Amino acid sequence: AQSVTQLGSHVSVSEGALVLLRCNYSSSVPPYLFWYVQYPNQGLQLLLKYTSAATLVKGINGFEAEFKKSETSFHLTKPSAHMSDAAEYFCAVSDRDSSYKLIFGSGTRLLVRP
Amino acid sequence: EAGVAQSPRYKIIEKRQSVAFWCNPISGHATLYWYQQILGQGPKLLIQFQNNGVVDDSQLPKDRFSAERLKGVDSTLKIQPAKLEDSAVYLCASTVGLAGLNEQFFGPGTRLTVL
Repeated sequence: AQSVTQLGSHVSVSEGALVLLRCNYSSSVPPYLFWYVQYPNQGLQLLLKYTSAATLVKGINGFEAEFKKSETSFHLTKPSAHMSDAAEYFCAVSDRDSSYKLIFGSGTRLLVRP
Repeated sequence: EAGVAQSPRYKIIEKRQSVAFWCNPISGHATLYWYQQILGQGPKLLIQFQNNGVVDDSQLPKDRFSAERLKGVDSTLKIQPAKLEDSAVYLCASTVGLAGLNEQFFGPGTRLTVL
């Protein structure tokens, strides 16, 4: 069965610093991988997705993620944090064996210090 | 383009009461999902509709939860009777076709508190 592990329920960075949010997945078949962002009292918004094309995926708001099959990872990065990036971030996996259901990680709350 | 609409945004009830949530997906989206998001956890799929048919309801607690999507557009999720552990945010999402590559668009959710 698929699963997603997000290391660190909270990550705190200074404004302008590198953002790194970790995601590891398990899947027995080639997966699709997603990062979603959730702002307070709002639904989830897709940041980016990996669909077996380029391993480095660029998303909205300057975020990107790299698919590493050997490490079963799909970490999310942004070179320079902005105050508006403060939110909760969810990694999700789907694959053929799960009928492409989205399986979410438990989320990482990003705090940005001025 | 209007997004996924949900109502109410907030609901407080006492245990053993009934509650219903409403979702209006993006126009033309055939697939509709209901998720439960408990505080501190990621969303968990409860039920998936394709048009007005159920595709997956394997994680829906059918003894107390029910959902319908009449006419393949709006959907209603009901809990009867509610338990304390049902306190969560209930998210509705929709996609153009089946899942996979198609992006799921999420509504703002209904925050349910069961006292």
